[in-house]
Amino acid sequence: EPEVTQTPSHQVTQMGQEVILRCVPISNHLYFYWYRQILGQKVEFLVSFYNNEISEKSEIFDDQFSVERPDGSNFTLKIRSTKLEDSAMYFCASSLLAGGLSEQFFGPGTRLTVL
Amino acid sequence: RKEVEQDPGPFNVPEGATVAFNCTYSNSASQSFFWYRQDCRKEPKLLMSVYSSGNEDGRFTAQLNRASQYISLLIRDSKLSDSATYLCVVTEYGNKLVFGAGTILRVKS
Repeated sequence: EPEVTQTPSHQVTQMGQEVILRCVPISNHLYFYWYRQILGQKVEFLVSFYNNEISEKSEIFDDQFSVERPDGSNFTLKIRSTKLEDSAMYFCASSLLAGGLSEQFFGPGTRLTVL
Repeated sequence: RKEVEQDPGPFNVPEGATVAFNCTYSNSASQSFFWYRQDCRKEPKLLMSVYSSGNEDGRFTAQLNRASQYISLLIRDSKLSDSATYLCVVTEYGNKLVFGAGTILRVKS
């Protein structure tokens, strides 16, 4: 069964450092997403991406964040200068169709710890 | 006001029990509705979509009341493996999923 994969599973970094979280969406999917979940809190939307551009982003997704699809398979989230409050689980997701028309499949997540 | 509200629980039930979760959403323009399941420190996984007519998948029944902006999930004959956090999720404009904080279910033998 196709699945979304994410690397690394756990990333530890120092405050102020740049991190890149990597995702490989399901191969025939067209819509890509990043969500985050701070420990003990709800899952929050960060950004959606379609046709090589951002289609929607949340207030959390400020200038410190960027996304890229550098090739035909990877989808990355970059945080330029990490803050303590960026510590969270980051989930990548992909879907074949937009909105609620098809299921969003989630990857296993990257746990980001900012020290 | 929270966009999607759920009773956090935990709901502690014996095996074989029937348990019901409720959820309300604030945006009347919400378009699609789902229940996701999340195991501890794992990714959310779709349990079922929710339709106005109500829908059933084995032991799970979901209902949607658009007038009251209310969604429910009923689990019959609870199994130990049903222990998880159940997330009420809606889509509004665009593609993003809006999650509730989740309801914790613990099924005990």
